[in-house]
Amino acid sequence: KQEVTQIPAALSVPEGENLVLNCSFTDSAIYNLQWFRQDPGKGLTSLLLIQSSQREQTSGRLNASLDKSSGRSTLYIAASQPGDSATYLCAVKPGGTSYGKLTFGQGTILTVHP
Amino acid sequence: SQTIHQWPATLVQPVGSPLSLECTVEGTSNPNLYWYRQAAGRGLQLLFYSVGIGQISSEVPQNLSASRPQDRQFILSSKKLLLSDSGFYLCAWVGVLNTEAFFGQGTRLTVV
Repeated sequence: KQEVTQIPAALSVPEGENLVLNCSFTDSAIYNLQWFRQDPGKGLTSLLLIQSSQREQTSGRLNASLDKSSGRSTLYIAASQPGDSATYLCAVKPGGTSYGKLTFGQGTILTVHP
Repeated sequence: SQTIHQWPATLVQPVGSPLSLECTVEGTSNPNLYWYRQAAGRGLQLLFYSVGIGQISSEVPQNLSASRPQDRQFILSSKKLLLSDSGFYLCAWVGVLNTEAFFGQGTRLTVV
């Protein structure tokens, strides 16, 4: 059974810092990995999708990497801003006939102080 | 572009009352549809998924049921709510190519 772990559970940083969020998974037979952002009381917003054959994806100040063999992904946020404060979730989609079902980590709660 | 709608946004229901949450998707056809629940302090748990009209798979035994009467409509129901049904319910879809997942804005259900 796939298990996804996110470290740290919470992170508080001053504005302007570069930071790294970690995601690890136990079964490397994944189809893709997706990073989401969730604001309090809201749904999930997709940030980046990395296919199993890819090593990284970038969008603006965000960069996500994937090392499938070691079961790890990192989300790098450059020059953090207060507006980045949210919960960040990673989710993996298994390979094979999985019907797109995702397994989520518990999330990292990020607070960026002005 | 594809969009996903969920309603209502919040709901307070007494124990033993029925439930109906609706999710609709626009701008795509034959999507895979999912209902997830997010309990306080916990991660997202997959409740149901559907790969087509009338096709429902349940991931966990529970007091809830799901239906897909139309290609882009997914409904979560209960005949009698329990206190433990409280939580944040999210609908999601994945396109035919089985790539990126998109989520609705969620429904906050409080059973009192």
